[in-house]
Amino acid sequence: GAGVSQSPSNKVTEKGKDVELRCDPISGHTALYWYRQSLGQGLEFLIYFQGNSAPDKSGLPSDRFSAERTGGSVSTLTIQRTQQEDSAVYLCASSYPRADIQYFGAGTRLSVL
Amino acid sequence: LAKTTQPISMDSYEGQEVNITCSHNNIATNDYITWYQQFPSQGPRFIIQGYKTKVTNEVASLFIPADRKSSTLSLPRVSLSDTAVYYCLVGDKIPSGTYKYIFGTGTRLKVLA
Repeated sequence: GAGVSQSPSNKVTEKGKDVELRCDPISGHTALYWYRQSLGQGLEFLIYFQGNSAPDKSGLPSDRFSAERTGGSVSTLTIQRTQQEDSAVYLCASSYPRADIQYFGAGTRLSVL
Repeated sequence: LAKTTQPISMDSYEGQEVNITCSHNNIATNDYITWYQQFPSQGPRFIIQGYKTKVTNEVASLFIPADRKSSTLSLPRVSLSDTAVYYCLVGDKIPSGTYKYIFGTGTRLKVLA
């Protein structure tokens, strides 16, 4: 079946603009996760959803970041007033119950000029 | 909060067995330990998952001691195509009662002919 799909695959934006990153999880997966990977760095956990609910948002780097999930499916990560330090690959993953195997998308590469 | 560490890099020759250890303290008591492989410009790819003792699948084995403060990924008879970065992933139960997910620092494996 189809894997986790992320769009766009690449996004170039100007400093100060808002961006929206989209994640389509594997059908039927109840949990959805967002991570960030800066150039040459490891993977940083941002947030996870169980259904449409995010139990904790403290992993988001600043209040410019927000995420939502609707219908227990698609999720959007929004970054307002982008800064150059937001440049990174944003990865989405999904799984059945939380703690089950997370399957990752290919990521969205965000470049803030 | 959980902390995870892995060796930064390892070199091996084709056909050899490779063992990569991840040290992780304070992980959630009821969560799995999962290992991923990542190639450049791709999302992490699932290798193996376990809770305790030993797990084996068609590509790897995972050894987890009783105290679950570390885990060792074993790749038998590596080939050139196994050259990649390998990450452990653990769950961390935080004071609010929910979970965060912590990736290890990553081990860059280079397989030589």
